[in-house]
Amino acid sequence: DSGVTQTPKHLITATGQRVTLRCSPRSGDLSVYWYQQSLDQGLQFLIQYYNGEERAKGNILERFSAQQFPDLHSELNLSSLELGDSALYFCASSKDSNSNQPQHFGDGTRLSIL
Amino acid sequence: GENVEQHPSTLSVQEGDSAVIKCTYSDSASNYFPWYKQELGKRPQLIIDIRSNVGEKKDQRIAVTLNKTAKHFSLHITETQPEDSAVYFCAASSFRDKLSFGAGTTVTVRA
Repeated sequence: DSGVTQTPKHLITATGQRVTLRCSPRSGDLSVYWYQQSLDQGLQFLIQYYNGEERAKGNILERFSAQQFPDLHSELNLSSLELGDSALYFCASSKDSNSNQPQHFGDGTRLSIL
Repeated sequence: GENVEQHPSTLSVQEGDSAVIKCTYSDSASNYFPWYKQELGKRPQLIIDIRSNVGEKKDQRIAVTLNKTAKHFSLHITETQPEDSAVYFCAASSFRDKLSFGAGTTVTVRA
């Protein structure tokens, strides 16, 4: 158990819909990272939040957005869903804002678009 | 930004043999190099990491070496066991830049 909690574990929805993925970081961690992993693909960095503020942005589509709340949990919102958005979405957390430190991953949310 | 290349993409070894995965990076400012193991359908799990002020680090059957001059680092798994079968990802980052992952190596340990 990494201490990072992601809900839900599975999501099945249709094209055009909107979903929200939730992540609670490890106790004491202030940074949250979101990654997308498509079938047989590597880990694509989407976005990082640190203590409520956006810290870094990767290959995140305009249809996707995220935020981090005062209690440090984070939500990733995916809208106007397309078939290609089907993937595993992982959240990771680390102690502070620097990238050169261990990131611990949650169990992921598997999103299936029908 | 950082570009991490990982080789080989697949690796099959006999149980008890060693496995070696190599990664190269492009940004000389990178100073943190973690390795993650991901079993099928599971989360990436940090198994070992190394910083640029260290040339080698070992943890039981796993070791990582770093060559800053050549900008490459390697994962060595000795006495491989069936439970070592997984996808392994290398990654690199600097103080300010995001963690960049390699494409992954699928390791299969044959009994």
